[in-house]
Amino acid sequence: GAGVSQSPSNKVTEKGKDVELRCDPISGHTALYWYRQRLGQGLEFLIYFQGNSAPDKSGLPSDRFSAERTGESVSTLTIQRTQQEDSAVYLCASSRQVRDTQYFGPGTRLTVL
Amino acid sequence: ELKVEQNPLFLSMQEGKNYTIYCNYSTTSDRLYWYRQDPGKSLESLFVLLSNGAVKQEGRLMASLDTKARLSTLHITAAVHDLSATYFCAVEGAGKSTFGDGTTLTVKP
Repeated sequence: GAGVSQSPSNKVTEKGKDVELRCDPISGHTALYWYRQRLGQGLEFLIYFQGNSAPDKSGLPSDRFSAERTGESVSTLTIQRTQQEDSAVYLCASSRQVRDTQYFGPGTRLTVL
Repeated sequence: ELKVEQNPLFLSMQEGKNYTIYCNYSTTSDRLYWYRQDPGKSLESLFVLLSNGAVKQEGRLMASLDTKARLSTLHITAAVHDLSATYFCAVEGAGKSTFGDGTTLTVKP
C-alpha cells in the first residue's frame, strides 16, 4: 500500500511569512508524529497525535508552531512568522499505534530566506 | 529528560572490516529502534528491540539491547559500500521517540 506522503517536497519562503506543511499517514495508522531535522543533525521531536487523544505538543519550539490532525488522517503543521532558524527538513511519520515502528515520509525541505 | 548518545558520529571503514556503533541512553526504556537514512532521503526502519538481551540480525547488520546498561549496539560485519548511510538509534519513552545524533558511515573500497 501507499506509504506516508508529505507535501510540498520543497518550500522556499520569506522571513515573516506563514507556511503550512501537510502529511498523509498510512491508512489505519492511529499515531502520527512530526520531527524537524536540521542539516547534518538528528531528529528533533515536535508533536505527536494518537487517535482522538490530546496531542503531545511538548516538542514544539515556540508558539509560532502548531499542528492539527483530522481524525486519523491528514495532519498539517503550521509555522507562523517564519524565521531563518526554521529552515530544516520537516519529517512526518505514522505508526499503527503509539510505540510501534514508525514509517517516515520523504520530508518537506523548508528554506526561509 | 531522556538523552540518547551515539558514538562514533562519523565512521570511515574499509570494505570487509567489522565495526560496532554504540547507542547509550539515560533513562529506563523497553523499546529501542535503529533506522537508516541515505543522503537526501527519509528514514527507513531497520530493527526494533523490545527486551533485555534482544538480538536481531539482517544481512551484515546485527543489533542488540542491554536494558540494564542502557546500551544498544549495531554491529557491522564485513562491510560493503552499500552500507554507507547515516544510522540513528531512537529510544522510546512516554509514547515518543528520542533520537541520537546519528552515525554517518562511509565504507571505502
